[in-house]
Amino acid sequence: DIQMTQSPSSLSAYVGDRVTITCRASQSITTYLSWYQQKPGKAPKLLIYGASSLQSGVPSRFSGSGSGTDFTLTISNLQPEDFATYYCQQSYSTPPYTFGQGTKLEIK
Amino acid sequence: EVQLVQSGAEMKKPGESLKISCKGSGYSFTNYWIGWVRQMPGKGLEWMGVIYPGDSDTRYSPSFQGQVTISVDKFISTAYLQWSSLKASDTAMYYCARHADGNTHFAYWGQGTLVTVSS
Repeated sequence: DIQMTQSPSSLSAYVGDRVTITCRASQSITTYLSWYQQKPGKAPKLLIYGASSLQSGVPSRFSGSGSGTDFTLTISNLQPEDFATYYCQQSYSTPPYTFGQGTKLEIK
Repeated sequence: EVQLVQSGAEMKKPGESLKISCKGSGYSFTNYWIGWVRQMPGKGLEWMGVIYPGDSDTRYSPSFQGQVTISVDKFISTAYLQWSSLKASDTAMYYCARHADGNTHFAYWGQGTLVTVSS
């Protein structure tokens, strides 16, 4: 199975900051990488797919990049509603389509 | 509008069986893979498996193979996740989710079903 490793596991930031979360795959997944946001008590929400494509309705302050094994999610101009947990997921080739362990973004 | 509506919370005893459901609407149910994701209390997301309602082709994560059964009734647009003998360690929130159009990431999610297993 392909393993996904996110870093950091948690971070704190101020409203208005720019933050970056990274995700590393144990083997090349080309651009089959998605990012999800999850708020407490809610289902995950798709933000980014194909490593860099923004899901419809998601604010443009969210962006994704990377290919192969290394990927990043960047959130610019952090808003209060962005404080949540973020997960990457690979969906390359055959299942299982594993998730990273998550990154909790907290207000400083 | 695509919707996935899951069955309600369950409280069960160890050793009991359980089947939870996920009803899809607003799209052609047989044409999209539906999967299940586990989230244990305070933990991350775990991909369990997916099923293609058109022909019931099912793929499991090795971690869940033999532990659960994923099935579907395409005539009522409903996917299922079932256990034959629950354990306390099955206590978790379970989400169903649908693949995106022509893709393998989850674009649509159900609201989740909380399963609590306790004696």
